[in-house]
Amino acid sequence: EAGVAQSPRYKIIEKRQSVAFWCNPISGHATLYWYQQILGQGPKLLIQFQNNGVVDDSQLPKDRFSAERLKGVDSTLKIQPAKLEDSAVYLCASGVGFGGTLQQSPTGELFFGEGSRLTVL
Amino acid sequence: DAKTTQPNSMESNEEEPVHLPCNHSTISGTDYIHWYRQLPSQGPEYVIHGLTSNVNNRMASLAIAEDRKSSTLILHRATLRDAAVYYCILRDSNSNSGYALNFGKGTSLLVTP
Repeated sequence: EAGVAQSPRYKIIEKRQSVAFWCNPISGHATLYWYQQILGQGPKLLIQFQNNGVVDDSQLPKDRFSAERLKGVDSTLKIQPAKLEDSAVYLCASGVGFGGTLQQSPTGELFFGEGSRLTVL
Repeated sequence: DAKTTQPNSMESNEEEPVHLPCNHSTISGTDYIHWYRQLPSQGPEYVIHGLTSNVNNRMASLAIAEDRKSSTLILHRATLRDAAVYYCILRDSNSNSGYALNFGKGTSLLVTP
């Protein structure tokens, strides 16, 4: 079974430029998540989708970050304009979804991609 | 979400058991205890989870205190490939929030030959 695919793996840009990251979740997974991981810290949730609807974007800096999940499959995370503090690894994860309790998904586990490492100079 | 407390780092010798502790004194009755680990340059991966009873799988064992205020992830024989950051996360089974994982800083496990 193919895992969560992300691209690009690495990106270097200058501040005030824009960048976009792409994520292809595991086939059939209803939920999709974007996380930001700054060096030395645990991943921080930016946004989560259920199919093509946003469940929670409370931690997404909406003045510069945007994300969409067209047709409930692939997703794109965009940053414009980028700041130095946006340097991080951006992780995408997917899961089978919710709609009741965790008993509907025995482990409820999330599957993560390898991440996209962004360096802002 | 209830918070967890883990040591910043631990060290183990190869082929010895490793006990990774996690405190979660404010855990609620509907919180599952999940463990994920993150190998260098990779995304986190699921290890194990439990509610009240101890759990075993091919990767590890999870021992949960009777009062559920703490738990321990047990790696029975550490290998060099087990060197990673281990995250203990509480997840509310009744949440309608999409079951997002809220990561702390985790425990960085160093395994030496």
